This record gives sequence, structure tokens and C-alpha cells, in this order.
Amino acid sequence: SYELTQPPSVSVSPGQTASITCSGHKLGDKYACWYQQKPGQSPVLVIYQDNKRPSGIPERFSGSNSGNTATLTISGTQAMDEADYYCQAWDSSTVVFGGGTKLTVL
Amino acid sequence: EVQLVESGGGLVQPGGSLRLSCAASKFTFSNYWMSWVRQAPGKGLEWVATINQDGSERYYVDSVRGRFTISRDNAGNSLFLQMNSLRPEDTALYYCARTPVVHLDYWGQGTLVTVSS
Repeated sequence: SYELTQPPSVSVSPGQTASITCSGHKLGDKYACWYQQKPGQSPVLVIYQDNKRPSGIPERFSGSNSGNTATLTISGTQAMDEADYYCQAWDSSTVVFGGGTKLTVL
Repeated sequence: EVQLVESGGGLVQPGGSLRLSCAASKFTFSNYWMSWVRQAPGKGLEWVATINQDGSERYYVDSVRGRFTISRDNAGNSLFLQMNSLRPEDTALYYCARTPVVHLDYWGQGTLVTVSS
């Protein structure tokens, strides 16, 4: 079965750029998306179809996907961005999630 | 704005059954694929099942295939998950989510299923 791999944790200083990676076999041939989940809340879609932002998502969130790696980039990271982030792709009629990355802003 | 409200969770003994519901509003429900995703306490997201617009296509994660059934009522704007032969490892918060293409753009608040004796 298809697998997506994320680092368990990433740390970033306020105002700096955070990058979270998601790796999978030929992931660049599929669409990748990203969800943000804060404690006690439902996931929120922040990037879809590799690099599109839903309405209401700040411009500091961006995405890319090439080769075997998709990347979520948060520019000018704010304290409010501290959360768990999950990548997701669709493979052979199944939805696949990465294991999640805890982003710490300190 | 799109609203998804899950219900039907609760405490059930191993081997028991539950039927989850998801009431959809503020969008044309019959135009969208829909999915169920679960999250065990302190764990990550796990996809459970997806259904297409008219119910003719249904997909499941291997661990629930044969035990869970996803269905929908387009006239009533509702999504369902019938869960049979429940196991302790099925304990999780279950979310329904709208699935426009290959992503999940709106999620409900979840309903908690606890499988324990």
C-alpha cells in the first residue's frame, strides 16, 4: 500500500520560514494537499492540488510537489501557526495521509 | 458556509454495532463525493471510507472492509457509516468530510466512538 512519510516535528522561530516535507513514491505524479489541525479542533485544508490555497487561508501558506516530495512552506511563521500538519494524496482509489508533523513556533 | 454535523457515536462493546450519521447543509450534497476519516486518541488521521455522488462507488481502508459500510441519502442530505463487529482498535473520533476531488475541503466536528467492555 502507498505510504506518505513526514518528519514527526519541526521547529521554527517566529517570523522565519517553516518547511514541512512529505515523501512518497512518485508523489509528484499525484496531487498533494495539506491540513492544519490545532488541539481539540477539526482539520482545516490549507493547501490543495499541490499549491492552491482555499479561500481564507493566509498567503504565507504555500505548497510545492515534485519528484518524491511535497513541501508545505509557511513564510513569516506566526505563533498561531503552531499545530499538527498532515499531508494527503489519493492513490488507487484510496485516501492516504502522512503521519503528521508537529510544528512548534518558539 | 458548508456545515457537516456528525452524530451516533458512543460506547459499545467489542463485537457490537453502531451507525454514524453526518447531516450536510449549505451546499448541494448530491454533487459531491463524501468521506469518513477517524482519529484515535493522540494519534494521526486515518482514512476510513469514501463514496461517490450516487453511491455506486465505495472505497474502504483494508482494516474496515467487510465490517463497515458507507452509504448516503441524497434526498435527506445525509451520509452514514454502519459499523459492525467493532474492535477496540476502532476507538476514535470519526469525522465526515466533503471530498470534491482528491482532497477533503470541509470537515465536521466529529463524533466519538469508544469500543470497550
